[in-house]
Amino acid sequence: DTAVSQTPKYLVTQMGNDKSIKCEQNLGHDTMYWYKQDSKKFLKIMFSYNNKELIINETVPNRFSPKSPDKAHLNLHINSLELGDSAVYFCASSDYRQGGITDTQYFGPGTRLTVL
Amino acid sequence: AQSVAQPEDQVNVAEGNPLTVKCTYSVSGNPYLFWYVQYPNRGLQFLLKYITGDNLVKGSYGFEAEFNKSQTSFHLKKPSALVSDSALYFCAVRDEEEADKLIFGTGTRLQVFP
Repeated sequence: DTAVSQTPKYLVTQMGNDKSIKCEQNLGHDTMYWYKQDSKKFLKIMFSYNNKELIINETVPNRFSPKSPDKAHLNLHINSLELGDSAVYFCASSDYRQGGITDTQYFGPGTRLTVL
Repeated sequence: AQSVAQPEDQVNVAEGNPLTVKCTYSVSGNPYLFWYVQYPNRGLQFLLKYITGDNLVKGSYGFEAEFNKSQTSFHLKKPSALVSDSALYFCAVRDEEEADKLIFGTGTRLQVFP
């Protein structure tokens, strides 16, 4: 019973295309996140949503747009894909309402995006 | 601004020997520290966290970490390494001033040799 799931697991596409990555959590958490892990394994937060409201938006190009239809889902849409967007994208969730600063984030399995 | 450093890109250890993966941090207020492990082609798995209280925190898979405020460190340890512990380990920190953000270190690859 997967806690945080992402689809697809692998995504290969051409430069200039638009693509989406979906994330769902069944933990009942109120906060969800998107992280980018680059080729050197460096992990950096991109966005976070709390109860469908955008909380963090880290200097990410506006080609990236998160969408949260409900608090169990946070999708990432990317327009006009560029070579530099190739990375592994991780979704995570936490119960910020319950734990606050001490809450633990739980990660999905990742989506490996390759832009050709 | 908060930051975390993992000074070693890779740590090699023989199976059965103790292991240590180092982490130091910099925050403005009280630190909240986390360790995660990433196995090949997998997501990050939570190992343990320090919030307050005992400086020695015990976590999953026999790992523990020691919080040292004077040295601003939170090293991950295990008394006896297993080959299956080979993975990428990330230290992360949050502080009260930027509570929304979990800042990760650059990761340390642990290689345990049989």
